[in-house]
Amino acid sequence: GDSVTQMEGPVTLSEEAFLTINCTYTATGYPSLFWYVQYPGEGLQLLLKATKADDKGSNKGFEATYRKETTSFHLEKGSVQVSDSAVYFCALRGTGGFKTIFGAGTRLFVKA
Amino acid sequence: DGGITQSPKYLFRKEGQNVTLSCEQNLNHDAMYWYRQDPGQGLRLIYYSQIVNDFQKGDIAEGYSVSREKKESFPLTVTSAQKNPTAFYLCASRFLNEKLFFGSGTQLSVL
Repeated sequence: GDSVTQMEGPVTLSEEAFLTINCTYTATGYPSLFWYVQYPGEGLQLLLKATKADDKGSNKGFEATYRKETTSFHLEKGSVQVSDSAVYFCALRGTGGFKTIFGAGTRLFVKA
Repeated sequence: DGGITQSPKYLFRKEGQNVTLSCEQNLNHDAMYWYRQDPGQGLRLIYYSQIVNDFQKGDIAEGYSVSREKKESFPLTVTSAQKNPTAFYLCASRFLNEKLFFGSGTQLSVL
């Protein structure tokens, strides 16, 4: 079945450092790919998405490119801030599917 | 403002007790979902509903039950058959192929 694998955390960075969180997926067809973010004690919010190969999703300085050849959707940000500290989830939804499959989440700590 | 409201924020269950978690949305979304979140394990799907009066089991439905009598409401009951209910429970809704909208969650603990 469909699955998502993302790098284990926690990831600890200093402010203004470069961020990469790796995400790879297994799915048939052409799934839609998502990154969600969860701040402490809250639900998840959509950060960005991509619906077809080579699409780049971007929001708030974060970017991810849908790479079908490597089945990856890595999250990047050029300069992180303390306020980016949160848990990040990679997710997919299959073509015409009703279920969204989530990775285990990666916790990011950013130090001032 | 439109959104999803989960209540209560914290809930405690005694041995052998059933408890019900509330989820209400005013987004006019057809699809609603319940996820369970355990530390380090991401989100696992418990139940989902595509339309009123219809719902399907997710990956970990045992020990849980749901109903969908109204479009805006999708309550989850954690029954006494669920032997390890301590977790953070998240309700979500979706319109067509758009993103999931999440509530702020309910933390369930066992006394």
